Amino acid sequence: AQSVTQLDSQVPVFEEAPVELRCNYSSSVSVYLFWYVQYPNQGLQLLLKYLSGSTLVESINGFEAEFNKSQTSFHLRKPSVHISDTAEYFCAVSVSGTYKYIFGTGTRLKVLA
Amino acid sequence: EAQVTQNPRYLITVTGKKLTVTCSQNMNHEYMSWYRQDPGLGLRQIYYSMNVEVTDKGDVPEGYKVSRKEKRNFPLILESPSPNQTSLYFCASSDTPFAGGNNEQFFGPGTRLTVL
Repeated sequence: AQSVTQLDSQVPVFEEAPVELRCNYSSSVSVYLFWYVQYPNQGLQLLLKYLSGSTLVESINGFEAEFNKSQTSFHLRKPSVHISDTAEYFCAVSVSGTYKYIFGTGTRLKVLA
Repeated sequence: EAQVTQNPRYLITVTGKKLTVTCSQNMNHEYMSWYRQDPGLGLRQIYYSMNVEVTDKGDVPEGYKVSRKEKRNFPLILESPSPNQTSLYFCASSDTPFAGGNNEQFFGPGTRLTVL
């Protein structure tokens, strides 16, 4: 069975500091990987996704994630965070050949002034 | 504006009283899905639909029903709600997942349900 693990439930970080949100997955078959962001009292929005090709994917607001097949990881990074990045971040996988999505438990990023 | 809408946004009900949460999308998406979000558990998939009249169970389908009679609508039905179904529910839609779900899902704003 597939699973997604986000080890950090909360990550506090000061403004302009770098941050890494960790995501590990378990699957014996090919998966597609996603990061979604949920701002307070809102639905989820896609941040970035890895389907194939270059293992480093970037979003328009400065986040990036790297697919590491050997470590089954898809960590999210940003070199310098802003107050507006305060949100909950979810890692998700969809399993090739199925229509199911599996989400991690989420990481709450709190950016401090 | 492309969007997924859900109604109601907030609902307080009592055990056993049947309820329906509606979901509608205006993007002509084939794929629609329902999730529940609980603290510490993230999002868990309840049911999904690949197209009209085609639905399947997700990871936590017990106590829920769905139907897909029209492409744009995917209501979630709780025929006899119980307190353990108190949760935040999200509907989502996407284009037909190609080779297993590589399309972005668009989420509705959520429905906060409390079952007393």
